[in-house]
Amino acid sequence: DAGVIQSPRHEVTEMGQEVTLRCKPISGHNSLFWYRQTMMRGLELLIYFNNNVPIDDSGMPEDRFSAKMPNASFSTLKIQPSEPRDSAVYFCASSPRGGSVGNTIYFGEGSWLTVV
Amino acid sequence: KQEVTQIPAALSVPEGENLVLNCSFTDSAIYNLQWFRQDPGKGLTSLLLIQSSQREQTSGRLNASLDKSSGRSTLYIAASQPGDSATYLCAAGGGNQFYFGTGTSLTVIP
Repeated sequence: DAGVIQSPRHEVTEMGQEVTLRCKPISGHNSLFWYRQTMMRGLELLIYFNNNVPIDDSGMPEDRFSAKMPNASFSTLKIQPSEPRDSAVYFCASSPRGGSVGNTIYFGEGSWLTVV
Repeated sequence: KQEVTQIPAALSVPEGENLVLNCSFTDSAIYNLQWFRQDPGKGLTSLLLIQSSQREQTSGRLNASLDKSSGRSTLYIAASQPGDSATYLCAAGGGNQFYFGTGTSLTVIP
C-alpha cells in the first residue's frame, strides 16, 4: 500500500486566500484524522472521521476551518479565509478502527502551510 | 479528557549510552500505548505498540513498557546511535482516537 497520501506537500499563500488540503487514507481504514502541528502547541487533533462521518470536531479552531470526507478514500481540510497564524504542518492519518484494541495510526508526510 | 505528558522535552546523550524516555497519561482506560518517531520534515512513524493487556514490547534496541495502574510508559533505547536522533512521541489510544504527548527531542552526539 502507498500509505496515507497528502497534497500539497508545501503551500505558500497570501492572507485571505482559501486553502484546501487533501488526503487519501490507506485503503480499508475506516478512521481518518486531521492534526495540526506547531512548535508552540505540538500535535493537535482537529477532527476525526469514522466511516466517513465526523465524530469529533471540537479541535477545529474556528469557523474558518472545515473538513469533509465524501467517501472512504478522500478527505479535505479547508481554511477560508486563511490567516498567518494558520501556518503549520497539517497531518492526515488513518487507522483501521481508531484508537481501539490492536490498532495503530498511520501518518502522511504532512502539508506544510505558510500564510504570508 | 485524556492528557499525555512527556518528560524531558529534550535530551542530549553521547553515542553508546542507554537512555529512557518517559510518557505519562491521566486516564488508565486505554486500549493501547504507542511510541512514534518523527524526523525533521517528516510524518510520524510507529515504533512500538503495546496493548492494554501487555506489559512491554521489544523491537531491536527498543523496549517499551506499560504500567496502566500508574499511568506510565517508558521507551528504552539501548546503545544509542546518532541515527536515533529524532523526536519521539507517545500516544494513548482510547475512545476511538489517539491522544499524543508533546514529544521528547533526542540528540545523540557522535
